[in-house]
Amino acid sequence: SAVISQKPSRDICQRGTSLTIQCQVDSQVTMMFWYRQQPGQSLTLIATANQGSEATYESGFVIDKFPISRPNLTFSTLTVSNMSPEDSSIYLCSVSAAGSTDTQYFGPGTRLTVL
Amino acid sequence: KNQVEQSPQSLIILEGKNCTLQCNYTVSPFSNLRWYKQDTGRGPVSLTIMTFSENTKSNGRYTATLDADTKQSSLHITASQLSDSASYICVVSAEGTNAGKSTFGDGTTLTVKP
Repeated sequence: SAVISQKPSRDICQRGTSLTIQCQVDSQVTMMFWYRQQPGQSLTLIATANQGSEATYESGFVIDKFPISRPNLTFSTLTVSNMSPEDSSIYLCSVSAAGSTDTQYFGPGTRLTVL
Repeated sequence: KNQVEQSPQSLIILEGKNCTLQCNYTVSPFSNLRWYKQDTGRGPVSLTIMTFSENTKSNGRYTATLDADTKQSSLHITASQLSDSASYICVVSAEGTNAGKSTFGDGTTLTVKP
């Protein structure tokens, strides 16, 4: 199993500002992902964080809005840039080993409110 | 298009009662199906994972079933407890993709009342 921590756990931000969310895993993992969960909805994959290279973004998400870094196998950051109230969501970091049969582990999430 | 549909959307039961949550999917080619429990304000926690050849898997009071022919799964909770109040999410992965690109259901919100 993997234990994931995220910082901050929650934040309230002003429109137009940016917030960087950190994800730390207690072991080296192959795959790291960032999800968004809007109120009352399920999880939507934002991007796959690739170690040492640019993240792979899903349709509807772009690097300028959600820049991601992954300097090593245990750490990643997601920045939510130029925020608007529509960005108010829970942002979750997730990890798994390579291969679709492996269980995914999720962090506790960062609850973001944009005013 | 790969889809996962869960029912009911929400459910209220009394403590000690049993309940069954449903998940129908159209993901193809099928690799595995996972059930997660998500407490309010927390990340999802894995309950069970089943591959094509498995039709039942238990985790304590949670029992998941899978019918790969009809593309249906159920999660049965026995002798419910107040702590079972949570959202239960069904997630299906396609063969050849990594876990992160799985298809997520919208979840069933379960409320257990004393």
